[in-house]
Amino acid sequence: SQQGEEDPQALSIQEGENATMNCSYKTSINNLQWYRQNSGRGLVHLILIRSNEREKHSGRLRVTLDTSKKSSSLLITASRAADTASYFCATANNTNAGKSTFGDGTTLTVKP
Amino acid sequence: EAGVAQSPRYKIIEKRQSVAFWCNPISGHATLYWYQQILGQGPKLLIQFQNNGVVDDSQLPKDRFSAERLKGVDSTLKIQPAKLEDSAVYLCASSSGVKKVRSPLHFGNGTRLTVT
Repeated sequence: SQQGEEDPQALSIQEGENATMNCSYKTSINNLQWYRQNSGRGLVHLILIRSNEREKHSGRLRVTLDTSKKSSSLLITASRAADTASYFCATANNTNAGKSTFGDGTTLTVKP
Repeated sequence: EAGVAQSPRYKIIEKRQSVAFWCNPISGHATLYWYQQILGQGPKLLIQFQNNGVVDDSQLPKDRFSAERLKGVDSTLKIQPAKLEDSAVYLCASSSGVKKVRSPLHFGNGTRLTVT
């Protein structure tokens, strides 16, 4: 069964707006990762946040983690048409930190 | 660095036929994964190797799927015989981490399998 669940399933915004995607999970984690997947391609790693971290930034990306609520959010600021893709969260537990379990993703469409 | 290489890119077979996919991970990456991604869903782990040993194959349908990673480098995933529900993209990924070390996954572009 999938560990992470992304919300919303689909999101459509205008270029320049911010996009926020959420991920909820069920069991305790070692780390949580966000990936992007363009149509017909493999997944690309965006950010890894460890269970003892609360927030991380990378360029226009901001990830938060709330372990008490078992949730994470990915914020993309000043979105561009090139950000159009599916975004997945993946969790790894303490037993096997090398194994990542993926949710079904949020499909983001950024209109020019 | 060169990325994860997969071949073939596309494959169409009839049900009950067999098929094999090949993956060459990033040089030096100890851990290799095969994921199955059905259209509209996230990747589902089939098997995880650390060097040439299996770490997790709990979700691999062993009656029809097999995988090997000889010499701890390249890997092959085989399906025999294929079923209609095996139609999916098969993604290979590698990472430098091992069981207790966190590190991101690097994915290949996948093999899109269509079973008719």
